[in-house]
Amino acid sequence: DQQVKQNSPSLSVQEGRISILNCDYTNSMFDYFLWYKKYPAEGPTFLISISSIKDKNEDGRFTVFLNKSAKHLSLHIVPSQPGDSAVYFCAASEEGAQKLVFGQGTRLTINP
Amino acid sequence: KAGVTQTPRYLIKTRGQQVTLSCSPISGHRSVSWYQQTPGQGLQFLFEYFSETQRNKGNFPGRFSGRQFSNSRSEMNVSTLELGDSALYLCASSLVLAGGNHEQFFGPGTRLTVL
Repeated sequence: DQQVKQNSPSLSVQEGRISILNCDYTNSMFDYFLWYKKYPAEGPTFLISISSIKDKNEDGRFTVFLNKSAKHLSLHIVPSQPGDSAVYFCAASEEGAQKLVFGQGTRLTINP
Repeated sequence: KAGVTQTPRYLIKTRGQQVTLSCSPISGHRSVSWYQQTPGQGLQFLFEYFSETQRNKGNFPGRFSGRQFSNSRSEMNVSTLELGDSALYLCASSLVLAGGNHEQFFGPGTRLTVL
């Protein structure tokens, strides 16, 4: 029973263009969502988060959109840079809980 | 401010042995969570400690246990190791205030190989 799903295992984007990573969830109790970036053999690096009371949050080149009715969130990276090449995980948690449920990840490759 | 540190970074054990992994959270963070990452199962939550008490637990057998000390440092222990326990074990800390949600910051992980 996978409560958080990232249906695209990989994504390839040209440098300078927009990268859009998608994530779906099934548990309606989730109210906090996060995106992490991960390199092999390293811990995930926090990128951006969004609470269920918002539908958009921006931080520099990163924007997260949340559609609660569709139980869908997306991460937009613009413009994409070669250093953005990594595996991206979305994660979700219930209110006040520190238990994160992760998706399976999407490998993003930025081509020069 | 120093990040989350984990020791050791790499560990090789044989089946049946036990192992203890250590995690030091970011200064001031009182919540420490542990996760297991494997190619097949992805990132899975093990347990969370706050003020020396286990608050949440994932779906792992009793061979996996942990504790937290008064300085918020945490250890996790795996007894009677199995081949399937080979994984990257990640520790994350969070600044938990009354109510609300807070991001977790991860350490570099401990790569455990069971032979």
